Amino acid sequence: DGGITQSPKYLFRKEGQNVTLSCEQNLNHDAMYWYRQDPGQGLRLIYYSQIVNDFQKGDIAEGYSVSREKKESFPLTVTSAQKNPTAFYLCASRGQAAMGSYEQYFGPGTRLTVT
Amino acid sequence: GQQVMQIPQYQHVQEGEDFTTYCNSSTTLSNIQWYKQRPGGHPVFLIQLVKSGEVKKQKRLTFQFGEAKKNSSLHITATQTTDVGTYFCAPMYSSASKIIFGSGTRLSIRP
Repeated sequence: DGGITQSPKYLFRKEGQNVTLSCEQNLNHDAMYWYRQDPGQGLRLIYYSQIVNDFQKGDIAEGYSVSREKKESFPLTVTSAQKNPTAFYLCASRGQAAMGSYEQYFGPGTRLTVT
Repeated sequence: GQQVMQIPQYQHVQEGEDFTTYCNSSTTLSNIQWYKQRPGGHPVFLIQLVKSGEVKKQKRLTFQFGEAKKNSSLHITATQTTDVGTYFCAPMYSSASKIIFGSGTRLSIRP
């Protein structure tokens, strides 16, 4: 069963703690993305990686960090420096643009609540 | 920076009425994708438009890409309760650029 998995679905943390969100894909996709979505809002890009061992900052990277040591995995760490970490976090992947397709596949998301 | 405007922000329609959402860019796009996100769910890819003036249909959904490749629309004919959700346009300015998501149009339906 191919796809993208994110765990856990819901995550609760105390302010001041770092927390790492998991994202795994078995689609053999090169590119992976992390987005943040606030209630009633669109998707904002945090970080993206187009190949293993390489990643770039998106529009709202401050307070976040990522790693891409394996093709299948792109974990996101929400650090204590992130001022408003409570949000819905979505991971996505995209394969090579074969036949000109740039479709992104999204995981089910993790809802992070920090109190 | 490169931005896209998506309107309207919300639309509440009677079941059976039509619905349209528009996506507008000030610069030419390479291609544009459309996604649907059900309440509490994650975005799901609907379609990609690449060619100037392209029109694609999926059952009751009609997608258009403007002649100048600066705007796009999604039209739903005779809405059903299963159409509820937020529709996002996601343009790319070049094949090498990242996707930018519009702010979305939230569709709600009165049965």
